[in-house]
Amino acid sequence: DQQVKQNSPSLSVQEGRISILNCDYTNSMFDYFLWYKKYPAEGPTFLISISSIKDKNEDGRFTVFLNKSAKHLSLHIVPSQPGDSAVYFCAATASANNDMRFGAGTRLTVKP
Amino acid sequence: GEEVAQTPKHLVRGEGQKAKLYCAPIKGHSYVFWYQQVLKNEFKFLISFQNENVFDETGMPKERFSAKCLPNSPCSLEIQATKLEDSAVYFCASSQRFGDSQYNSPLHFGNGTRLTVT
Repeated sequence: DQQVKQNSPSLSVQEGRISILNCDYTNSMFDYFLWYKKYPAEGPTFLISISSIKDKNEDGRFTVFLNKSAKHLSLHIVPSQPGDSAVYFCAATASANNDMRFGAGTRLTVKP
Repeated sequence: GEEVAQTPKHLVRGEGQKAKLYCAPIKGHSYVFWYQQVLKNEFKFLISFQNENVFDETGMPKERFSAKCLPNSPCSLEIQATKLEDSAVYFCASSQRFGDSQYNSPLHFGNGTRLTVT
């Protein structure tokens, strides 16, 4: 059962513009959400997280928005840079669970 | 150390052979997780540890997979009698805290071990 879904396998954006990556989840018990960035032949690198008690968390060029009623979160990158080109994974966990669930990833390409 | 260290980087095994993968978590992290990623698809959770105790093993194919995290040793994931479908990248991750809604911390991943079963 895929509890975390990233429905866009790829996204292409021009340098300097905003990148918006989306993620939906089905488990209403999830209370901690994360975004990871992954380059080829490397492990995922933690980018930003948000607790379910918040609806927005910002860190430099990266902002994560959480809409609990829609069970939806998004990652905004602005301005996008070519070095942001990578696969982005959305992840979620619930306090009652002992693991973290990942989406299938979205490949972001930022064109110079 | 400051990074999750996984060895080996690549492992090739003939079908039916044993495979053993190692993971040294970040110093001070109490939780260790193993994930399997097949063909760049989503990460499948296998097992987690809190120190040397199994935290959750609901993702483990119990017939051939086993894992340990012993004190003062790297954690290990062992596959007895490998099958072709075991070919994947196996990621280990560690975390300082987990399962607490107020004090969650992210998982930090190693670079993975690519297992190829021929």
